[in-house]
Amino acid sequence: LAKTTQPISMDSYEGQEVNITCSHNNIATNDYITWYQQFPSQGPRFIIQGYKTKVTNEVASLFIPADRKSSTLSLPRVSLSDTAVYYCLVVLYSGSARQLTFGSGTQLTVLP
Amino acid sequence: DAGITQSPRHKVTETGTPVTLRCHQTENHRYMYWYRQDPGHGLRLIHYSYGVKDTDKGEVSDGYSVSRSKTEDFLLTLESATSSQTSVYFCAISEEQGSNEAFFGQGTRLTVV
Repeated sequence: LAKTTQPISMDSYEGQEVNITCSHNNIATNDYITWYQQFPSQGPRFIIQGYKTKVTNEVASLFIPADRKSSTLSLPRVSLSDTAVYYCLVVLYSGSARQLTFGSGTQLTVLP
Repeated sequence: DAGITQSPRHKVTETGTPVTLRCHQTENHRYMYWYRQDPGHGLRLIHYSYGVKDTDKGEVSDGYSVSRSKTEDFLLTLESATSSQTSVYFCAISEEQGSNEAFFGQGTRLTVV
């Protein structure tokens, strides 16, 4: 089963670019890499997903090397409102079903 | 926001009593999930469903059961609540193919005293 490992916490300052790396050494051929964001007292919110190389949307970029054993979520020019927990997730398949299994996440704190 | 509603939003119950949490969706999504979230543990999958009457266990299923008799409702039952089940419970839904984008409910804060 693919398990993810990411830093427990990170600090940054407003206006900086933040990169959060996740390792998933046992990722399966058909797994997608997905990132979620969670604010206190709310459910997680999908940010971005990718399979390989680079994916960019209006919120973030996701970089995935060729071996797919890790991925990096990049948040450009963070603001105080980006303070949240960020989860890296790979999909675990069980027969015809799909499990979405979260790791412990990375607490990002953006400082003024 | 995706049409997903959890009820109740808050509940206090006594040890040993049965408790049922309800997740209701209006999106007709195939997959539904129940998670619990505790400090220091992130989100842990309890049970999930991949269709009506099709459910499976997640990583922390002991002490919980689920039922899905129709597409829109996924019920989580604690047959005999214990203090260790005090937690915030989240329901999530997702489509079948092509995306790992899941939509989460607002959560249910359950306290077992």
